[in-house]
Amino acid sequence: GAGVSQSPSNKVTEKGKDVELRCDPISGHTALYWYRQRLGQGLEFLIYFQGNSAPDKSGLPSDRFSAERTGESVSTLTIQRTQQEDSAVYLCASSLARGGLRNTIYFGEGSWLTVV
Amino acid sequence: AQKITQTQPGMFVQEKEAVTLDCTYDTSDPSYGLFWYKQPSSGEMIFLIYQGSYDQQNATEGRYSLNFQKARKSANLVISASQLGDSAMYFCAMREGPGNSGYALNFGKGTSLLVTP
Repeated sequence: GAGVSQSPSNKVTEKGKDVELRCDPISGHTALYWYRQRLGQGLEFLIYFQGNSAPDKSGLPSDRFSAERTGESVSTLTIQRTQQEDSAVYLCASSLARGGLRNTIYFGEGSWLTVV
Repeated sequence: AQKITQTQPGMFVQEKEAVTLDCTYDTSDPSYGLFWYKQPSSGEMIFLIYQGSYDQQNATEGRYSLNFQKARKSANLVISASQLGDSAMYFCAMREGPGNSGYALNFGKGTSLLVTP
């Protein structure tokens, strides 16, 4: 597609349930990022995928969070046993790999997660 | 430690006036890139402008320009001729040299800009 596509756009879930968020990056973008944005806050880095390399998971806040990516396409972010503090917008982004520092990261519109 | 600091939680500017949004950063890496993003109420992050640490000139993109002062480690965004549609959150972000985090961006907490008629 033309841009980064995320689904669902909104999700309300009960505390303790698992949720899956999906991201479809821009075609040809080998780098994919997940960020979390709590209400009124900046963006927290969660995880980074680059091609077939091992992902950088250094930003995942707990072992309840995991993410997968198949090749250079779709990624899913899974949150197990959701807690109220997980309520946030989860933003996916993608970029080209070449170009280094200058590579612009393009964001999707986010998945708004509310845990009740 | 916070790598990107945006000290202005909120700013007001009158339509057609210019406004400067502050950003300071902290890095010991000589090679880095600085970005500004706009986030309207719809939530999407929109890329505005990029400045590389080795760029000789300040970046400009239409009504956006970046006042890059390397020695002071500041990268302020200047929006000229403000428009009502400029009302949004603005985030400053930095990417440091390649490392374990690949090319992930570190973001500041943002500045909320309101343009008034």
